[in-house]
Amino acid sequence: EPEVTQTPSHQVTQMGQEVILRCVPISNHLYFYWYRQILGQKVEFLVSFYNNEISEKSEIFDDQFSVERPDGSNFTLKIRSTKLEDSAMYFCASSEALGQETQYFGPGTRLLVL
Amino acid sequence: KNEVEQSPQNLTAQEGEFITINCSYSVGISALHWLQQHPGGGIVSLFMLSSGKKKHGRLIATINIQEKHSSLHITASHPRDSAVYICAKGTGNQFYFGTGTSLTVIP
Repeated sequence: EPEVTQTPSHQVTQMGQEVILRCVPISNHLYFYWYRQILGQKVEFLVSFYNNEISEKSEIFDDQFSVERPDGSNFTLKIRSTKLEDSAMYFCASSEALGQETQYFGPGTRLLVL
Repeated sequence: KNEVEQSPQNLTAQEGEFITINCSYSVGISALHWLQQHPGGGIVSLFMLSSGKKKHGRLIATINIQEKHSSLHITASHPRDSAVYICAKGTGNQFYFGTGTSLTVIP
């Protein structure tokens, strides 16, 4: 069964460093999403992406964050100048044609900023 | 404000019990999602609803658009159902999540 994959599964970085989290969505899906979940807190929407541009973004998704689909398969989240409070689990998801279709989640990347 | 409230926060049930988890939201939606988060952190989408009722195996999800309320029911609960169940509402391409209901089913 097709699945969303994410790499790395864990990432430790120093405060102020840049990180890139990678996702490979399901191949025929057209909508892509990033979410984060700070330990012990609820899942938060970051951004949705369609047709090579941001469709929606939350207040959390400020200039520190960017997303890109550099090729036909990868979908990346870049966090510039990481802060301690960026430590969280980051989930990628994808869905078929419409934004409100069932989303398929990746296993997540656990980011720890020291 | 795009609030999503879930109740209860925590729920412990005996195997075989019928379980209901509730979700209320404050403003209109495009769709309402029910998700399951396993103890290891992985998230699985259970249902996406915009009206009525959906059933998948022992899981049933209902939504009342007028009352801005949705419920997730689990029949004949089993210890493997133990997980956090999350309600999320979609508005356009934005999503707002509840804090989740932590379910433990005891054998």
